[in-house]
Amino acid sequence: AQSVSQHNHHVILSEAASLELGCNYSYGGTVNLFWYVQYPGQHLQLLLKYFSGDPLVKGIKGFEAEFIKSKFSFNLRKPSVQWSDTAEYFCAERGGYQKVTFGTGTKLQVIP
Amino acid sequence: DTEVTQTPKHLVMGMTNKKSLKCEQHMGHRAMYWYKQKAKKPPELMFVYSYEKLSINESVPSRFSPECPNSSLLNLHLHALQPEDSALYLCASSQDWLAGAATPSQYFGPGTRLLVL
Repeated sequence: AQSVSQHNHHVILSEAASLELGCNYSYGGTVNLFWYVQYPGQHLQLLLKYFSGDPLVKGIKGFEAEFIKSKFSFNLRKPSVQWSDTAEYFCAERGGYQKVTFGTGTKLQVIP
Repeated sequence: DTEVTQTPKHLVMGMTNKKSLKCEQHMGHRAMYWYKQKAKKPPELMFVYSYEKLSINESVPSRFSPECPNSSLLNLHLHALQPEDSALYLCASSQDWLAGAATPSQYFGPGTRLLVL
């Protein structure tokens, strides 16, 4: 069965620090990968997605992610975080027709 | 309009009650989804509708009954729920997967927080 692993459950950073959240996927078929963000009290929003082409994907709000096939990884990065980035971040992958599987999520807390 | 709306925001029900959750979108999406999210857990897929027909049921107990009366609406009928069914129920929509796009982006609603007593 497909699975998505996010090894960092809770990350605390100071403002202006750089961010990297890990995500590993297992599906061996055609890769469709996503990062979603859930701000406190708000609904899930898509940050970015990868289907094919350039493995470095740019998303909204200054986020980017790099697809590394050899490592089955799709890590999320941001050079300089802000307090407003405090949220929960979910990595997800398509594992089959109409099925998207989410990782367990990483809570990011940014300290002013 | 890129919004998925869900009502009610909160719902408390007893184990013998019958209630319904509602979801609406006006983005012309032909795929709609129900997810269940327990506290500190990721969303888990329950049902997928494609062109108003049920295409995926992830072995969900029959006390949950989905309905898609038209292309903009998705309901989840609840009956005889158990306390362990308490969770956040999320609705999402997307372009249909047969439309030619690689995995379409899903747009999520804010969810209905359900408490079963």
